[in-house]
Amino acid sequence: SYEVTQPPSVSVSPGQTASITCSGDNLGNNYASWYQQKPGQSPVVVIYQDYKRPSGIPERFSGSNSGNTATLTITGTQAMDEADYYCQVWDSRSVVFGGGTKLTVL
Amino acid sequence: QLQLQESGPGLVKPSETLSLTCTVSGGSISSSGYCWGWVRLPPGKGLEWIGSVYYTGNTYYNPSLKSRVTISVDTSKNQFSLKLSSVTAADTAVYFCARQDSSYGWYGDFWGQGTLVTVSS
Repeated sequence: SYEVTQPPSVSVSPGQTASITCSGDNLGNNYASWYQQKPGQSPVVVIYQDYKRPSGIPERFSGSNSGNTATLTITGTQAMDEADYYCQVWDSRSVVFGGGTKLTVL
Repeated sequence: QLQLQESGPGLVKPSETLSLTCTVSGGSISSSGYCWGWVRLPPGKGLEWIGSVYYTGNTYYNPSLKSRVTISVDTSKNQFSLKLSSVTAADTAVYFCARQDSSYGWYGDFWGQGTLVTVSS
């Protein structure tokens, strides 16, 4: 079955840029989505269809997907962005989540 | 605004069947272009897709859980349901229901608040 891999953790200073990667074979051939999840809350989609932002998601969130890697970028990271982030793809009739990346803002 | 709400027992005994229902309000479960899915978050672990169902009844399951999972839809009640059989402690998790856009990568755009299910005797 298809698998995607994320780094377990990423750290960033406030105001700096955070990049979280999601790797999988020919991932660029599939649409990638990204979710933010804070403790005790439901996941919130911050990027879908590789780079699109849902209404209400700040412009500092952006996405790209090419080759074997999808990337979530947070520009001007704020303390409120500290959360777990998951990539998700659809492949061969299955939804696949990455293992998640804990973003620490310090 | 679309809302989803999970309901069902919070405690299930090992070897028994976990049953949850998701009630959809503020929109129709029969909308085309969407499917309805279950996702879980075990303690200390990451999100895991369990399966999804279209309003037509067509289902898609996680291969690793397929032998134990049944997802069904009741359009008359605007609900869909999950049954997971032969549960063990490893099935303890927060279970979420979600609407998934099946046109652009099956991403979840609306989610329930989640319900904790503990498997214990």
